[in-house]
Amino acid sequence: RKEVEQDPGPFNVPEGATVAFNCTYSNSASQSFFWYRQDCRKEPKLLMSVYSSGNEDGRFTAQLNRASQYISLLIRDSKLSDSATYLCVVNSYNQGGKLIFGQGTELSVKP
Amino acid sequence: DVKVTQSSRYLVKRTGEKVFLECVQDMDHENMFWYRQDPGLGLRLIYFSYDVKMKEKGDIPEGYSVSREKKERFSLILESASTNQTSMYLCASSPGMVNTEAFFGQGTRLTVV
Repeated sequence: RKEVEQDPGPFNVPEGATVAFNCTYSNSASQSFFWYRQDCRKEPKLLMSVYSSGNEDGRFTAQLNRASQYISLLIRDSKLSDSATYLCVVNSYNQGGKLIFGQGTELSVKP
Repeated sequence: DVKVTQSSRYLVKRTGEKVFLECVQDMDHENMFWYRQDPGLGLRLIYFSYDVKMKEKGDIPEGYSVSREKKERFSLILESASTNQTSMYLCASSPGMVNTEAFFGQGTRLTVV
């Protein structure tokens, strides 16, 4: 079983749609959680950190459920510019701080 | 502005060659990482380093080694390149152990022929 698993993609949605990505992790000692965004042929960049209480940044909402070892990202009112691959990332102090990436979920927003 | 720079954007090497991929960060970060990214497999950690001269194996270290002689520089070495090492290689750095953002270089597309 992979340490971090994401919904298989691709997700093809119309502009204005709401889309949700899910991610599960296997290491219960994991301490930090992130969503990264990667545009085609570009490097990954941090989209947002995920906090225990859940957090929101504009149209993006991230949730963490430690009991179920589950992370989610909700994108409301999708824009064409949201088309990218979204990567779930987990970090564990007991693993020396290494960042473990999910395989990514591709989102394509259509006009 | 935060910067992680990889020495080459594209590289073509022959099977059996020794290959050096260089990465430099200007943020005085403690941690540095090397990943490879392949379609359908995502980013897989090869090696990481949390201090000068310190290194830890990631998930796929076979066929690779690393060097960190200075804090700002982390090198990935392919001792004898093989065609299955054709991939996108991404270097990253981060300031701390947890709860810290990682910054990536632009990537090196390595083709081994």
